[in-house]
Amino acid sequence: QVHLVESGGGVVQPGRSLRLSCVASGFTFSSYGMHWVRQTPGKGLEWVAVISYEGSTKYYADSVKGRFIISRDTSKNTLYLQMNSLRVEDTAVYYCVSGGGYSFGYYFDNWGQGTLVTVSS
Amino acid sequence: DIQMTQSPSSLSASVGDRITITCRASQSIRSHLNWYQQKPGKAPKLLIYVASSLESGVPSRFSGSGSGTDFTLTIDSLQPEDFATYYCQQSYTSPRMYTFGQGTKVEIK
Repeated sequence: QVHLVESGGGVVQPGRSLRLSCVASGFTFSSYGMHWVRQTPGKGLEWVAVISYEGSTKYYADSVKGRFIISRDTSKNTLYLQMNSLRVEDTAVYYCVSGGGYSFGYYFDNWGQGTLVTVSS
Repeated sequence: DIQMTQSPSSLSASVGDRITITCRASQSIRSHLNWYQQKPGKAPKLLIYVASSLESGVPSRFSGSGSGTDFTLTIDSLQPEDFATYYCQQSYTSPRMYTFGQGTKVEIK
């Protein structure tokens, strides 16, 4: 059974940094593209970033490009999201998601439970 | 950027009803359209992928159709556990960008 468990969320001041982690189990982590997707009450679901199965290729939403960094450690079955220069509008529940269908994923087939990030002074 | 528009934003229905939710893309996305169900306090769950393929374990009362710009999610004989919010999502521009619709909340009449 697939499990994705996020951690690292919390309350942080604008301009500060936070790193999210996601530990994966129950599937061959090294074979899947992995994503971060966030959800805010006002803007619904928003895709944030993707990393290829081998970690060499990454893409970001325009809203986080240059501030967030996605990475993975296959030896630890762990996905990361380093969030820098945080803004109030980054406040959301962040989900770790596996991509199905091809190396990056056409669809999001497994989701973690989410971790809440609140950016506030 | 491709915009995804769902309609209606919400609907009220009764157990046993057949309902249809529509998702429209701002340009052709071929069949690169997926549907998710989300219940309060839970993560979204994949229902339908590539427009019409049923995810494993999803009841057969759920079905998807469409291609190009217009897509539908149909639920035959609505069950109590189906009251939730439904989202469409395009992957035509993957891996550079993925876009969700704004959601359709299905409530009990």
